[in-house]
Amino acid sequence: AQTVTQSQPEMSVQEAETVTLSCTYDTSESDYYLFWYKQPPSRQMILVIRQEAYKQQNATENRFSVNFQKAAKSFSLKISDSQLGDAAMYFCAYRSAWGNKLVFGAGTILRVKS
Amino acid sequence: GAVVSQHPSWVICKSGTSVKIECRSLDFQATTMFWYRQFPKQSLMLMATSNEGSKATYEQGVEKDKFLINHASLTLSTLTVTSAHPEDSSFYICSAAGTSGRSSYNEQFFGPGTRLTVL
Repeated sequence: AQTVTQSQPEMSVQEAETVTLSCTYDTSESDYYLFWYKQPPSRQMILVIRQEAYKQQNATENRFSVNFQKAAKSFSLKISDSQLGDAAMYFCAYRSAWGNKLVFGAGTILRVKS
Repeated sequence: GAVVSQHPSWVICKSGTSVKIECRSLDFQATTMFWYRQFPKQSLMLMATSNEGSKATYEQGVEKDKFLINHASLTLSTLTVTSAHPEDSSFYICSAAGTSGRSSYNEQFFGPGTRLTVL
């Protein structure tokens, strides 16, 4: 079974600074998707970024980018120019390419200081 | 992205009563819907997966007689918490996915969640 590990329960970053959230996963599959979701205080789950495992190029979405290391099974999220609105719980998630179930990590609470 | 709604957004009920939560995909046909439970500051725990027109598949440890799931149409799934007790108080989230097979459009779209409080 696949597992996703987020080893940082909480992180803090100063406004306008950069922060990196860690995620590692375990799978025997070669074809899969990885996701970062944001859950703000409203608790609405918001997709931040998605990475297809067959793509070597790291995904980017504006201020959000990932460092995908397939061999190391690592998928970190970098948030540049942090904003107060980035404060939320962030979940790393895995999904098999042929399935539709998401496997979530435990989450990282990100606090942004002004 | 696609829009998924949940109703109600919050509900308070007395112990022993049943509560129904609706999950609707508003602008796409959801062949599969998922129900999650989330405790404060914790991750989402998958309760069950439902496919339109068939019985839901429950995760290990989830009581199917307590958490009744119906996915009667491609746009609606319901979760009924039967004979609710205070320990059932939680945040319930649904999500919906469109197609099957190898496709990035298996992506799950999440509803806003329902906060259930059982007195």
